[in-house]
Amino acid sequence: EAAVTQSPRNKVAVTGGKVTLSCNQTNNHNNMYWYRQDTGHGLRLIHYSYGAGSTEKGDIPDGYKASRPSQENFSLILELATPSQTSVYFCASGHTANSDYTFGSGTRLLVI
Amino acid sequence: GQQVQQSPASLVLQEGENAELQCNFSTSLNSMQWFYQRPGGSLVSLFYNPSGTKHSGRLTSTTVIKERRSSLHISSSQTTDSGTYLCALERNSNNRIFFGDGTQLVVKP
Repeated sequence: EAAVTQSPRNKVAVTGGKVTLSCNQTNNHNNMYWYRQDTGHGLRLIHYSYGAGSTEKGDIPDGYKASRPSQENFSLILELATPSQTSVYFCASGHTANSDYTFGSGTRLLVI
Repeated sequence: GQQVQQSPASLVLQEGENAELQCNFSTSLNSMQWFYQRPGGSLVSLFYNPSGTKHSGRLTSTTVIKERRSSLHISSSQTTDSGTYLCALERNSNNRIFFGDGTQLVVKP
């Protein structure tokens, strides 16, 4: 069954540490997205990708990097984690156009 | 400004009542999708509906491009319908999707 799988499901990180959130999709979708969801802000786009090797800045890219080494995998990297990055992160995949989007189950990140 | 506006922000129903959730958008449209999210849960796609009307059980989605709106109708609501309903817009110019802030629905027994 086609799916979007995120790992880890939960993560506790120390301020200043490096955090990598991983996302794998078996939908064969071109586009992948990273969002964070916070109370009062809804879903905000951090980075997205049109395909392997491409990454684009979303609406709130500061403090985050992204990597798309293959069609299936899209990572979100926090080089120097801060408490303000405590949030729930969602990965999604979608086709180039005229297609619905599929979301992963989310990663809860706590930066202390 | 915000490209996708949802209303109402919150809604409380008695079980059995119907609900009409609205999504208005201020930009050109490539696709429209409705999602459901349980508290603390992931997003589940309800409808991919760029235009026209679609049905799924007690749910109906209608998108009218000329009027720049999409609606989600829930009939005979159940307590298990409680959660957040989000609409998402994909613009014509690129493949980014924009979310509304959601409607929080509570259905009381």
